[in-house]
Amino acid sequence: GDSVTQMEGPVTLSEEAFLTINCTYTATGYPSLFWYVQYPGEGLQLLLKATKADDKGSNKGFEATYRKETTSFHLEKGSVQVSDSAVYFCALTPTGGGNKLTFGTGTQLKVEL
Amino acid sequence: GAVVSQHPSRVICKSGTSVKIECRSLDFQATTMFWYRQFPKKSLMLMATSNEGSKATYEQGVEKDKFLINHASLTLSTLTVTSAHPEDSSFYICSARDPRNSETQYFGPGTRLLVL
Repeated sequence: GDSVTQMEGPVTLSEEAFLTINCTYTATGYPSLFWYVQYPGEGLQLLLKATKADDKGSNKGFEATYRKETTSFHLEKGSVQVSDSAVYFCALTPTGGGNKLTFGTGTQLKVEL
Repeated sequence: GAVVSQHPSRVICKSGTSVKIECRSLDFQATTMFWYRQFPKKSLMLMATSNEGSKATYEQGVEKDKFLINHASLTLSTLTVTSAHPEDSSFYICSARDPRNSETQYFGPGTRLLVL
């Protein structure tokens, strides 16, 4: 079945540091890929998505590129802020659509001054 | 963006009792809602898909008689954990699919259940 693997956290960075959170997936065909973010005490929010190979999703300074050849969708941000501290989830929905989201385990990011 | 609420945010109950969790879409009508369970340091696991006006579709390994789902209106789905036991203690999260944007699910803030 489909699966998503992302790096374990917590990841601790200083403000303005560069962020990479790795995500790889296993799925047949061309799934849609997502990054969700969960701020403390809140529900998961869609951060960005990509629906086909080589697409780049971007939002709030974060970006991720759908790499079919490496089955990856790594999340990056050039300069993190304290307000970016949250848990980040990589997820996919299967080829051809459908609503079933398969999530990674989540990576906690802590940004310090 | 769209808002989904859950109630209660936290509940403690005795073993053997039943607990109902509500999930509401506040500014859109959701024909489809989803219930997830999250274990510590684990990913969210889809339990079931709730369809308004019809029976829920449960994922493999999820006991439908244990986790009763009712989606009686376009803005409300409920999950009832029947005869709860300590192993049912977990974080339960719902989401609702916005028909205006079919790829996007909006998530509630979750409900922490502790069964003593």
